[in-house]
Amino acid sequence: QKEVEQDPGPLSVPEGAIVSLNCTYSNSAFQYFMWYRQYSRKGPELLMYTYSSGNKEDGRFTAQVDKSSKYISLFIRDSQPSDSATYLCAMEYGNKLVFGAGTILRVKS
Amino acid sequence: GAVVSQHPSRVICKSGTSVKIECRSLDFQATTMFWYRQFPKQSLMLMATSNEGSKATYEQGVEKDKFLINHASLTLSTLTVTSAHPEDSSFYICSARWRAEDTQYFGPGTRLTVL
Repeated sequence: QKEVEQDPGPLSVPEGAIVSLNCTYSNSAFQYFMWYRQYSRKGPELLMYTYSSGNKEDGRFTAQVDKSSKYISLFIRDSQPSDSATYLCAMEYGNKLVFGAGTILRVKS
Repeated sequence: GAVVSQHPSRVICKSGTSVKIECRSLDFQATTMFWYRQFPKQSLMLMATSNEGSKATYEQGVEKDKFLINHASLTLSTLTVTSAHPEDSSFYICSARWRAEDTQYFGPGTRLTVL
């Protein structure tokens, strides 16, 4: 079993839709939870960073963490074609960052 | 946000040659730098962690004699792929952090193609 599970997609939605991206994890030692966006052939760009259960909002993005269920989500409101990218969840314990497989998102105009 | 650069962005080399990739933190001092490898349509896999002035810690399955990491200053780490072979072709990404409680800031990546 992988430490972090993420549906690779691809996920295709119309412009303006609400997007829900999810990851589950098995290691209860994870302390920090992140979402990165990666465009083709580029390095990951940090979108959200949380360390406690609950919701965190930043503009059109909301990150949700449920430690009891070992489940995290990223919601994107009013999705735009420029949001088309691969979204990676990542979790950290100690000094080690473990990434999910990444979900490919395509927002159609 | 903090900026991390990598050089070169792309390199093509012949099998058996060695390739050096540089990772620099441009506006902060990176006490810890990380090297990742990403194969097509796969996620990032941590290769090694390096702290300034000390030897790198390699993940299981990563050959330390093949992937030489030097972190000689607080703003520069290098990864040298020695005697590269086609199976080493990949996207290599570095990241850097200032303090343990900070997040990692990623570089733009280096695409290595070994012919």
